[in-house]
Amino acid sequence: QVQLQQWGAGLLKPSETLSLTCAVYGGSFSGYYWSWIRQPPGKGLEWIGEINHSGSTNYNPSLKSRVTISVDTSKNQFSLKLSSVTAADTAVYYCARGISGYSGPLYYYYMDVWGKGTTVTVSS
Amino acid sequence: SSELTQDPAVSVALGQTVRITCQGDSLRSYYASWYQQKPGQAPVLVIYGKNNRPSGIPDRFSGSSSGNTASLTITGAQAEDEADYYCNSRDSSGNLHVVFGGGTKLTVL
Repeated sequence: QVQLQQWGAGLLKPSETLSLTCAVYGGSFSGYYWSWIRQPPGKGLEWIGEINHSGSTNYNPSLKSRVTISVDTSKNQFSLKLSSVTAADTAVYYCARGISGYSGPLYYYYMDVWGKGTTVTVSS
Repeated sequence: SSELTQDPAVSVALGQTVRITCQGDSLRSYYASWYQQKPGQAPVLVIYGKNNRPSGIPDRFSGSSSGNTASLTITGAQAEDEADYYCNSRDSSGNLHVVFGGGTKLTVL
């Protein structure tokens, strides 16, 4: 049973850099897309970006200038850095495992395993 | 297009059938996946691919797709199905960005 365990600082000041890490236990790191998603209080889910085992990244255009996602395959971990945070970045941040493929006539993408979430608050 | 549109709220009487829909251009190329989220909890995948349920998801949950619209159907809704539901896919414009619908709050009456 694959599990994702995430951790990182929960309270930041404006202009600081958010840093979170997600460890993958019980499964392969290869062949999947490892994503970060956030959810502001009372709002919906927002995809931040993803990385695969070889380090190829794909970011939400609205956050791309501030986001870096990296991977450490030796530890089966991936990390999120979000720079220059403001109060608008206050949210619960989730890591998740993504799976992509083709099952005619359509492609598919889904996130089958999620971390428990980390609450990040940005406040002066 | 990178948008998926969901109705903000839907209600269903206990034991009845409810359909939650998701619309977007990407759904002409991608099956929607569906997630259930209860307050204070992480989202849980309930439907993926053409109409697949992960282990442990009751068979009252089913999915379908037609054109630019995907649907999640709960047949015989239970009180424990009250939750927020999100659809998800990749953007079909070539950039492979991941997109979520805005979510539907399901109330079981």
